[in-house]
Amino acid sequence: EVQLLESGGGMVQPGGSLRLSCAVSGFPFSIYAMTWIRQAPGKGPEWVSAISAGGDRTYYADSVKGRFTISRDSFENTLYLQMSGLRAEDTALYYCGRKNYHNFDIWGQGTMVTVSS
Amino acid sequence: QSALTQPASVSGSPGQSITISCTGTSSDIGYYNSVSWYRQLPGKAPTLVIYDVSNRPSGVSNRFSGSKSGNTASLTISGLQAEDEADYYCCSHASGITIYVFGTGTKVTVL
Repeated sequence: EVQLLESGGGMVQPGGSLRLSCAVSGFPFSIYAMTWIRQAPGKGPEWVSAISAGGDRTYYADSVKGRFTISRDSFENTLYLQMSGLRAEDTALYYCGRKNYHNFDIWGQGTMVTVSS
Repeated sequence: QSALTQPASVSGSPGQSITISCTGTSSDIGYYNSVSWYRQLPGKAPTLVIYDVSNRPSGVSNRFSGSKSGNTASLTISGLQAEDEADYYCCSHASGITIYVFGTGTKVTVL
């Protein structure tokens, strides 16, 4: 069964850091690009970051560039998102997803990140 | 990169067809044939219903179809059913730093 399981969310103060993880199973992780997409409460999805299958190319939304870092571990079949300099506007449900060319064909259930003092 | 523009809501009676528009620019929808559509039920993650403008993933009903003209993409749901009630979002590959942009979302109501 294909499964993406996010973890690592929580509440953090403005300026703080958090690392999200996404454990992948049910498909060959090492041959797919992966992505993070977030959705603020009551809002639509917002693409955050993507990483190539080999991990050598990374891409970021302008809103997070310089603050977030995406990475992957093909031995552990895990995708990561290191977030620093967190702001109130980063509050959202963070989904990891499988990137299949230019679409996102498998999504996890998300992990909630709340940035508040 | 601004969000793609969708109508906030669209409604129809069972059996009817509805169309949701998604308007972008010449830097996203108008340039790339990489428009996808996602359906989201309350409290659930989005799921892919159309990719590359008009292709359906395996398992998605053929009542869902997609098209594109210029800077506007469209999702049509024919033979509307109660189970089609959901939020629908378009997404396009885009030029620039933010390489994917989502739409503002459309709530579909079956009357």
